[in-house]
Order: sequence, then structure tokens, then C-alpha cells
Amino acid sequence: QKEVEQDPGPLSVPEGAIVSLNCTYSNSAFQYFMWYRQYSRKGPELLMYTYSSGNKEDGRFTAQVDKSSKYISLFIRDSQPSDSATYLCAMSGNTGNQFYFGTGTSLTVIP
Amino acid sequence: DAGITQSPRHKVTETGTPVTLRCHQTENHRYMYWYRQDPGHGLRLIHYSYGVKDTDKGEVSDGYSVSRSKTEDFLLTLESATSSQTSVYFCAISDTNTIYFGEGSWLTVV
Repeated sequence: QKEVEQDPGPLSVPEGAIVSLNCTYSNSAFQYFMWYRQYSRKGPELLMYTYSSGNKEDGRFTAQVDKSSKYISLFIRDSQPSDSATYLCAMSGNTGNQFYFGTGTSLTVIP
Repeated sequence: DAGITQSPRHKVTETGTPVTLRCHQTENHRYMYWYRQDPGHGLRLIHYSYGVKDTDKGEVSDGYSVSRSKTEDFLLTLESATSSQTSVYFCAISDTNTIYFGEGSWLTVV
């Protein structure tokens, strides 16, 4: 079983829709949770970073962590064509500097 | 920008030739990483470094070596390139619990 599972999609939504992207994980020691956005032929770009459980909001993006269920989510409100990208989740524990990644979900927002 | 520069950005090489990819950071972060990214596999760790001259293997290290002689530079070498090493390679750096990526080096082995 992989440490981090992420549905690869592809996911296609109309402009303005609310998008929900999710990852599950198996290691209860994970404390730090990240979401990256990766445009085609570019490097992953850090989008959201959260520590432990709870929600974090940044503009149209909300990251949610449910440690009891070992489940994290990224919500995108009022989705735009410029949000079309692959989104990767990542996480790490307290041992430091070891990171575990989902394989990414491909998102297309249709104008 | 995370202050990471990779070179070359694109390279085509022949099977059996050595190839070196360079990663340069301006953030003075202790940890540096080399990943490869392939369809269906996501990001896979090749090697990482936790200080000058301190390196360790990742999950797909066979056929690769690394060196770090200065805090800011981390080199990835393919001793004898094979077609299975055609991929995009990402350098990354880490402060404590967050990791930042470079723009990638696209390598094609023919």
C-alpha cells in the first residue's frame, strides 16, 4: 500500500464550479500537509501548507485536514481556466525532511 | 521563486554517455533532493543531501550518483545513460517541513 493515495483523474469542470481534490494517507505520524500546483512542463509550485488538523484559506483556495480519517482536501472556489493544472498533495512527519507525494490529479477548467 | 536554478533545462544524449545535471540554490537550505517524474509514477526520489558531502539514496538510485561540494550546488550524474532514464528531473530544496522545486530538466536518451 502506498503511503499517499490520490485519484489521478482527469477531472474536468465548467468555469465557476467548486472543485474538490483529495488525498488519503496511511501514516498517522504525518503532521505537515502541502498542496502543489503543476502547470504543463513546469515544476510543482507550493500552493497551500497546513500543520496538523483544521482548515486554511487563501483566496479561492481552502485546504482541509482530517487527521482522524487520514484525509486531506483542497477546495477551489469559482474555478478559472487558469486553474487547469495537475495538483499534487504532499505530507511529512516530525522526523524532518522526508516527503511523501500523491501522484497528482489532472484538472481542466472549461471556459 | 524558490531560488532554484537547474541546468541544462533540456538535453538530448546518446545511450551510454555520461550526463550531469546541476542544481543551484540561493536559499542556503540544508536539504537538497533530486526527483524524477514519470507518467503513472509521480515524483520518485533519486538521491538527497543533508549537508556538504552528506548524501543518501532514494527509492530509484540505481544508475545515478550525486555530489555536493558546496551548500548551494547539488549535482546529479548518470554514469552511462540508458533509455529508461529518459524523464524530467526536478531538483528540490527544503528548510524544515516544506519542500520547493526547481523548474525541471528534460532529458531524452536516444
